[in-house]
Amino acid sequence: AQSVAQPEDQVNVAEGNPLTVKCTYSVSGNPYLFWYVQYPNRGLQFLLKYITGDNLVKGSYGFEAEFNKSQTSFHLKKPSALVSDSALYFCAVRPRSGGYNKLIFGAGTRLAVHP
Amino acid sequence: DAGITQSPRHKVTETGTPVTLRCHQTENHRYMYWYRQDPGHGLRLIHYSYGVKDTDKGEVSDGYSVSRSKTEDFLLTLESATSSQTSVYFCAISESGGIPNQPQHFGDGTRLSIL
Repeated sequence: AQSVAQPEDQVNVAEGNPLTVKCTYSVSGNPYLFWYVQYPNRGLQFLLKYITGDNLVKGSYGFEAEFNKSQTSFHLKKPSALVSDSALYFCAVRPRSGGYNKLIFGAGTRLAVHP
Repeated sequence: DAGITQSPRHKVTETGTPVTLRCHQTENHRYMYWYRQDPGHGLRLIHYSYGVKDTDKGEVSDGYSVSRSKTEDFLLTLESATSSQTSVYFCAISESGGIPNQPQHFGDGTRLSIL
């Protein structure tokens, strides 16, 4: 079965320190990869995507993500965390086959950035 | 932000009653989606639409029906609500189903409680 794993329910980091939110996937082929962020009482906001090309993808708000094909991972990173980055982060994967933009979501990781 | 409005934003109802949630978009996007969000599960697709009167099931469609009579509106109906359908429901839209460069955009959700 196709699945996306976010192994950490919560990540705690001090403001100014680098952060990593992990994502691995089990999807056949070479899927497209996405990160979304959700703030309280809001919908998901698109952060970045990997379609093809460079393994390091840059997105909104200073976030970037590193694609590793051999490890089937797509970890979200930021060099210096802000308190305002505290939110719920979702990794999502879209198989290349299928025409309706099917997204498979991970369970989410709550990021807490402490002053 | 993408022009997506979900209504109502909050609803409390009783088991066995019918419930309809509405998603309205002003982007003229072809694809619309209904998800439910539950702790530990991320987002799961209920139904989606690829055009007016064209809909299909997602992975958790049992107990739900949808209708799309106009491009801008996508309705989700719980014919006879059950407590297991207590959740946060999100609508999403995308311009195309097959082009991954066009990510899905989400509304702010409807929090539904079934007592």
